[in-house]
Amino acid sequence: SQTIHQWPATLVQPVGSPLSLECTVEGTSNPNLYWYRQAAGRGLQLLFYSVGIGQISSEVPQNLSASRPQDRQFILSSKKLLLSDSGFYLCAWTVEEGAYEQYFGPGTRLTVT
Amino acid sequence: GDSVTQMEGPVTLSEEACLTINCTYTATGYPSLFWYVQYPGEGLQLLLKATKADDKGSNKGFEATYRKETTSFHLEKGSVQVSDSAVYFCAFALYNQGGKLIFGQGTELSVKP
Repeated sequence: SQTIHQWPATLVQPVGSPLSLECTVEGTSNPNLYWYRQAAGRGLQLLFYSVGIGQISSEVPQNLSASRPQDRQFILSSKKLLLSDSGFYLCAWTVEEGAYEQYFGPGTRLTVT
Repeated sequence: GDSVTQMEGPVTLSEEACLTINCTYTATGYPSLFWYVQYPGEGLQLLLKATKADDKGSNKGFEATYRKETTSFHLEKGSVQVSDSAVYFCAFALYNQGGKLIFGQGTELSVKP
């Protein structure tokens, strides 16, 4: 069966510090991968998605970037965090068949101080 | 453009009451439709899905029917429990954009004993 991992689970970082969040998927090949952010009490905002290794589509302009160095690994990064980067970051995957339902990881709670 | 409109929350019900959360969508083409549930501090879980008109998705006592003529996918449950307290998201997938999900803003449900 497929599983998705995210780490760390929680993170407290000062403004201006770098960020690296990691997501890995097991049990499937060539998934589409997604990064979402959820601000407190708000809906989901799609940040990036990837349909293959090295292929990244950005949905919103911001100081974040994403990379996909391996088929089942998706990394979200920042060189310098802003206060507004605080939120709950969710990774998800799907395969391009059937209903295209996405499966989500447990999330990373990021607080920028 | 593509969008999902959900009934605004929070919705507060007593245990064993009936639940309906309205969802309508605007989409080009013929998308798959989903309901996701998010419990506090967790990622999103796929609750149910439907892929074509008049399909009924069901899971854990929840149901939703794909109504193409009214572009709706309302979530229903006949008797809610305290454990159903969560945020519910309606969504659909864009097949021609890497399977991106378009989400509604979420509806918070609180069930009181």
